[in-house]
Amino acid sequence: EVQLVESGGGLVQPGGSLRLSCAASGLPFTSFSMHWVRQPPGKGLEWVSRINSDSTTTNYGDSVRGRFAISRDNAKNMVYLQMNSLRAEDTGVYYCAGIRYYDTQAFDYWGQGTLVTVSS
Amino acid sequence: SYELKQPPSVSVSPGQTARITCSGDALARQRNFWYQQRPGQAPTVVIYQDTERPSGVPERFSGSTSGTTVTLTISGVQAEDEADYYCQTVNSGNTYYVFGPGTKVTVL
Repeated sequence: EVQLVESGGGLVQPGGSLRLSCAASGLPFTSFSMHWVRQPPGKGLEWVSRINSDSTTTNYGDSVRGRFAISRDNAKNMVYLQMNSLRAEDTGVYYCAGIRYYDTQAFDYWGQGTLVTVSS
Repeated sequence: SYELKQPPSVSVSPGQTARITCSGDALARQRNFWYQQRPGQAPTVVIYQDTERPSGVPERFSGSTSGTTVTLTISGVQAEDEADYYCQTVNSGNTYYVFGPGTKVTVL
């Protein structure tokens, strides 16, 4: 059974930092690009970031570029999101998601999310 | 432009057909997807690459495309289909992903 389990969310003050983690199991991890997608309370989905299988390419949404950094550790089947200079508008549930290469190209696998709240 | 537009809500009676549109200039030249999200749950894909249905998704879900508009059709809507639905596209280099604003489907 494929599982993506996020952790690291919580309450942080504006301007602060937080590091999210995503533990993957039950899938050939290096066959997936890994992503973070977020959802503000009561609002829609927003793609945040992507990392390819060997970490040579990372991509970011316009609203987080320059503040967030995605990374992965293939030996541990882990994905991370380092979030700096956090703002109130970064508040939301952060999902880890995977896209398998040469398959549907959809976000086939999702975690249950971790809540990040940016507030003073 | 990667801005996508969806109607905020669609209401339909059980057994009827719900159609949800998603429009945007980028849709004509990209691969497009649809996700269902029930309250308190993570999204799940119901249509991939415009028209394909993943295994396990009921046949009443179908996708179509015409120019800069893609459409999710739910034929014979059931109560369990009440959820938010999001379209999603990606550029040709797989470096930029966009979700539509979402459509809330209400089963009357």
